[in-house]
Amino acid sequence: KNEVEQSPQNLTAQEGEFITINCSYSVGISALHWLQQHPGGGIVSLFMLSSGKKKHGRLIATINIQEKHSSLHITASHPRDSAVYICAVDPGGATNKLIFGTGTLLAVQP
Amino acid sequence: KAGVTQTPRYLIKTRGQQVTLSCSPISGHRSVSWYQQTPGQGLQFLFEYFSETQRNKGNFPGRFSGRQFSNSRSEMNVSTLELGDSALYLCASSRGTGTGAYEQYFGPGTRLTVT
Repeated sequence: KNEVEQSPQNLTAQEGEFITINCSYSVGISALHWLQQHPGGGIVSLFMLSSGKKKHGRLIATINIQEKHSSLHITASHPRDSAVYICAVDPGGATNKLIFGTGTLLAVQP
Repeated sequence: KAGVTQTPRYLIKTRGQQVTLSCSPISGHRSVSWYQQTPGQGLQFLFEYFSETQRNKGNFPGRFSGRQFSNSRSEMNVSTLELGDSALYLCASSRGTGTGAYEQYFGPGTRLTVT
């Protein structure tokens, strides 16, 4: 079993829909990262969180440390949101190692 | 502030050869982590360097090595290339001074193809 599990693996939505991507992990962490990867490879960090909730524009990320679960929400989705969304956890300690989920491929259709 | 840069962006090598990839972190960042991304295994941690010292290493064979220079630039080397080494190699930099979590900033990656 992978240490970081994401669901769903693939998601197709219509423009304007509310989207939720889930991430569960089985290790102790100091933080959880949500990353976005567009075709071509570049990875952008969306959120880093260790408790509670963060919001940037139409994106919201939440984490429940006790349940070892995080969600990424996209409100009013748009075709430009189409990308792979990756959950990654930092297991802590004096290092910056990340353990990654397998990613969620999101396609938002106009 | 300039972002993380990686050179070269694309590389084609033959089995048995060796390759060196370079990563220049954001100015002021002293931690550089390297990751391998393949369709089959996804993203996997290779190693992390901080102030010229390797702080952590992933589960990769000894053919994969790296180093970091005094200006925080980092290189990774893969010797005796195998077909399975074909991947996107990403580096990420962070302030990462000690324990605790730090945001990581990713470079554009080097796409290595081994034929």
